[in-house]
Amino acid sequence: DGGITQSPKYLFRKEGQNVTLSCEQNLNHDAMYWYRQDPGQGLRLIYYSQIVNDFQKGDIAEGYSVSREKKESFPLTVTSAQKNPTAFYLCASSGGLGWGTEAFFGQGTRLTVV
Amino acid sequence: AQSVTQPDIHITVSEGASLELRCNYSYGATPYLFWYVQSPGQGLQLLLKYFSGDTLVQGIKGFEAEFKRSQSSFNLRKPSVHWSDAAEYFCAVGANNAGNMLTFGGGTRLMVKP
Repeated sequence: DGGITQSPKYLFRKEGQNVTLSCEQNLNHDAMYWYRQDPGQGLRLIYYSQIVNDFQKGDIAEGYSVSREKKESFPLTVTSAQKNPTAFYLCASSGGLGWGTEAFFGQGTRLTVV
Repeated sequence: AQSVTQPDIHITVSEGASLELRCNYSYGATPYLFWYVQSPGQGLQLLLKYFSGDTLVQGIKGFEAEFKRSQSSFNLRKPSVHWSDAAEYFCAVGANNAGNMLTFGGGTRLMVKP
């Protein structure tokens, strides 16, 4: 079945460590996105990519990095520079360059700093 | 830049009662509007979307929403709520440009009393 797969579902990170969250889609979508969700704050955009080998910062990119080497993959690295990384992370994809297309979401990764 | 406001953080309704969740947006042109639902610890599922045409939009699970340009609103309604509708609901506006980044409201958590 087509969809977006995020892994792992739960992730624990020690202070000072980098961790990478995986996001894979088989929807043949051009655009992919990473959102961070905190209680009561809705979803905030971290990074997005409209096409392979290109990505742009969102509203809260500091302390995060991404790559887009393949159309189907958009991994997010949470670096040690992110001071408050504990959150729920959602990956999404959409048809991209055309207007009005809806976003499809993965099931999320809950990251906790221990 | 676009923005979305969901004035109600929490709403409690009795099972069988009608429901209306409010959403107000700010965007300079014709918006693309979405309602998503999220169960605890899960990703977001699209309920319905408005791009153009008929301002009353029907979605899944018996939900509908009405776009009112004069009020910059896109309120979500359901005539009779079921216990399984308890979840968090997000309104989002999409930008009319390449990439279709969504801007989300803060969400409304719906609780259903038996």
